[in-house]
Amino acid sequence: EVQLVQSGAEVKKPGESLKISCKGSGYSFTTYWIGWVRQMPGKGLEWMGIIYPGDSDTRYNPSFQGQVTISADKSISTAYLQWSSLKASDTAMFYCARHLSPQSSWVPFDYWGQGTLVTVSS
Amino acid sequence: EIVLTQSPGTLSLSPGERATLSCRASQSVSSNYLAWYQQKPGQAPRLLIYGASSRATGIPDRFSGSGSGTDFTLTISRLEPEDFAVYYCQQYGSSPKTFGQGTKVEIK
Repeated sequence: EVQLVQSGAEVKKPGESLKISCKGSGYSFTTYWIGWVRQMPGKGLEWMGIIYPGDSDTRYNPSFQGQVTISADKSISTAYLQWSSLKASDTAMFYCARHLSPQSSWVPFDYWGQGTLVTVSS
Repeated sequence: EIVLTQSPGTLSLSPGERATLSCRASQSVSSNYLAWYQQKPGQAPRLLIYGASSRATGIPDRFSGSGSGTDFTLTISRLEPEDFAVYYCQQYGSSPKTFGQGTKVEIK
């Protein structure tokens, strides 16, 4: 069974750093692109970027480039989303999701993690 | 960047009725790489339709997708109680792979 299990909710202060995780299981982690999607409170879905764990090839939405870093550790089948200096406006739910077909990012997301709620408040 | 505009913002219908949701793109979607997702409160999105008209695994046949180029439609032939949710379209034919703002289907 394919599963993406994300790390738990976080409460942080502005200026702090954070790294959240997404662990894949039940499939070949290195051969499927993984993406990250932001959902701000009461709002829609925003595509942040994707990574191919096999070689760590990464693509960003220009709106998020420089604001976050996407990475992966294929040895433990885990993808990451990190911030070096959080802002209050980073408060949101963040989902990781797997692409439908191996080796291609030109397909939709089929499996999603349960989401990680990040709250940034002083 | 391709902007997807969904309409209406909210659709108020009764169980058993037909729902028609629209997604319009600011430019042609490459290869009709258009997907629809359903999201219920407190849950992650679920893939319904991809390639504009192909149902994802396990999706009931009351859900259908159509359209090409810049105009796409998701149709739910007869609404079941579990279908009341928010629906998003997404184009994945060009980067960044944008989502529409969502259509909420609510019980009338």
